[in-house]
Order: sequence, then C-alpha cells, then structure tokens
Amino acid sequence: DAKTTQPPSMDCAEGRAANLPCNHSTISGNEYVYWYRQIHSQGPQYIIHGLKNNETNEMASLIITEDRKSSTLILPHATLRDTAVYYCIDKVGGSARQLTFGSGTQLTVLP
Amino acid sequence: KAGVTQTPRYLIKTRGQQVTLSCSPISGHRSVSWYQQTPGQGLQFLFEYFSETQRNKGNFPGRFSGRQFSNSRSEMNVSTLELGDSALYLCASSLAWGPESYEQYFGPGTRLTVT
Repeated sequence: DAKTTQPPSMDCAEGRAANLPCNHSTISGNEYVYWYRQIHSQGPQYIIHGLKNNETNEMASLIITEDRKSSTLILPHATLRDTAVYYCIDKVGGSARQLTFGSGTQLTVLP
Repeated sequence: KAGVTQTPRYLIKTRGQQVTLSCSPISGHRSVSWYQQTPGQGLQFLFEYFSETQRNKGNFPGRFSGRQFSNSRSEMNVSTLELGDSALYLCASSLAWGPESYEQYFGPGTRLTVT
C-alpha cells in the first residue's frame, strides 16, 4: 500500500503557483520521492523526483523538507492544462520498477 | 523520440473470452511494466519485464500473464475474462538501472470492456 498522504483535492487560479503537499513520514534514507500526474483519460506522466535536495525542471519544482518526511510540488504558473490528479510516490517495489500509486490530489486550475 | 504505444486502444470482449494487449516501449528502454486502473482500485501494478524475464508480479490471479520479446515489445494476456477485468490497462517503459529507472513513461492505455 502507498505510504504517502496527500489532500484529496485542491483548487488553484490560473497563472498562480500551485503548491501540492505530500507527507511521506516512513520514507527510508535511500528512497526517492517521485511525482506523477494523470490528466483525465491519459496515462500517468512523470514530473520530477528527488532524494533530499530541492529539484527543478521545466515542469515543476520539488521542495523536500530537511527531515525528508514531507515534500511540496510547485507548479509555478498553473494553466488549465495542469488540471490533473497528482501522485506522490515514495515506495518502490524492491529491485523492480513497481510504482505504488495512492489516491493522489485532484488539482483543478480555475480560469 | 516516439513514446510508448499500445494497441488496441479500445476493446470489447465477452465473459469467458481471452484477450491480448500489446505494448511497444520507447526506443532504448528495456523494462516494461503493466498496470491496471479501475475507478474502485485505482492504479495497480500487474508485472514488470526486463530482458524477456518477468522481474516482479503484483497481486493478480494467474489469469493475467505477460511476456516480453527480444525487441523489448511486450504483450499481456488475460484469460477467462470476468466483468471485473473491465479497466484501463496501462503499459510503461523505463531504463533498467539507477534511480532514473523509476521514471516510467506511460502509454495511452487500452480500455477493455467485458460484457
């Protein structure tokens, strides 16, 4: 089972930053945090991942707390196309690339 | 670079029949994973293949099986279909090693309806 906790839903105004929190209090020292999103009726899309340092790519920024028990995904200028379910994942299955998806956060970007 | 492709995109089958779904990974990706997505259970891991070998399997009955070919293309098969097998079946490919291997790239999925 997924060990992450995310709010079920959030709204954000178009053009504003969307900050999506995730608690992963049982994360081990060598486990990464991964973020994916799924736009309605499409396959999930990889966004970003990190271990302990903050990370940024062309899609988003990932802020990980010093104790690594929580993180925040930041979409700096949300657009309507960012409306999706966002998944935070910390548990991966052994040596296999088995992603365990929880319920995620439904982000709705409002015009 | 072309993305992950899945065929067919939509499929309607009757209970008791069997079905085969196909997945072509991104060029250079050697790992292929399969997931089932339903409204009630969400996204659930089915199995993963690497170098034509099943590396890991999720908690699904033996009616669900798969294979991978030498060109990394993969197929999954569901025999004796049940109504509860109606779902979106997603295929994902990734590189084999390191933390970047957990970056999985998903296809659009095959929507299976069992009547």
